[in-house]
Amino acid sequence: DGGITQSPKYLFRKEGQNVTLSCEQNLNHDAMYWYRQDPGQGLRLIYYSQIVNDFQKGDIAEGYSVSREKKESFPLTVTSAQKNPTAFYLCASSITDPSRTFFGQGTRLTVV
Amino acid sequence: AQTVTQSQPEMSVQEAETVTLSCTYDTSESNYYLFWYKQPPSRQMILVIRQEAYKQQNATENRFSVNFQKAAKSFSLKISDSQLGDTAMYFCAFMKWGSNSGYALNFGKGTSLLVTP
Repeated sequence: DGGITQSPKYLFRKEGQNVTLSCEQNLNHDAMYWYRQDPGQGLRLIYYSQIVNDFQKGDIAEGYSVSREKKESFPLTVTSAQKNPTAFYLCASSITDPSRTFFGQGTRLTVV
Repeated sequence: AQTVTQSQPEMSVQEAETVTLSCTYDTSESNYYLFWYKQPPSRQMILVIRQEAYKQQNATENRFSVNFQKAAKSFSLKISDSQLGDTAMYFCAFMKWGSNSGYALNFGKGTSLLVTP
């Protein structure tokens, strides 16, 4: 089945450690996105990539980094510079049709 | 930059009744899309309905319909015959349409809808 896979579903890390969230899609979509969701804040865009080897910062990119070496994969690294990393992270992908944005199941990151 | 405002953090409706969720947005763009997404407790994002800004006719999907007022920059969602399964967080979202936009979504803060028996 085609879709977006985010792993793991729950992730725990100690403060000061970098952590990488995985996002893989087999939909052959060119564009991929990372959103952060906090209670009462809706979803905010962290980074997006329209093609392989290219990506742009979103509204809240500070403390995060991404790579896009393959069309299928768009991993997000939460660095120790991110002041409040505990959140729910959603990955998405799309083609040129705006109604065809697909979301993964999300990763809940807890930093202690 | 585009902003999306949902002024109702929480709403409640009885089963079989009708409820309207409000959304306003601010943009200087002429080509854009508007969406309503549903996020149930599973946290999976589900597209409810979309509206192309160039279309005057309001979009409808079964029990869900929108009231799109372009001049007022308003995009409300009406849910008819509410069902218990409609209980979820609802997000209004804006997408700029055009080159270099990346088709990223700009979300409001959400409205938590509770449908009661």
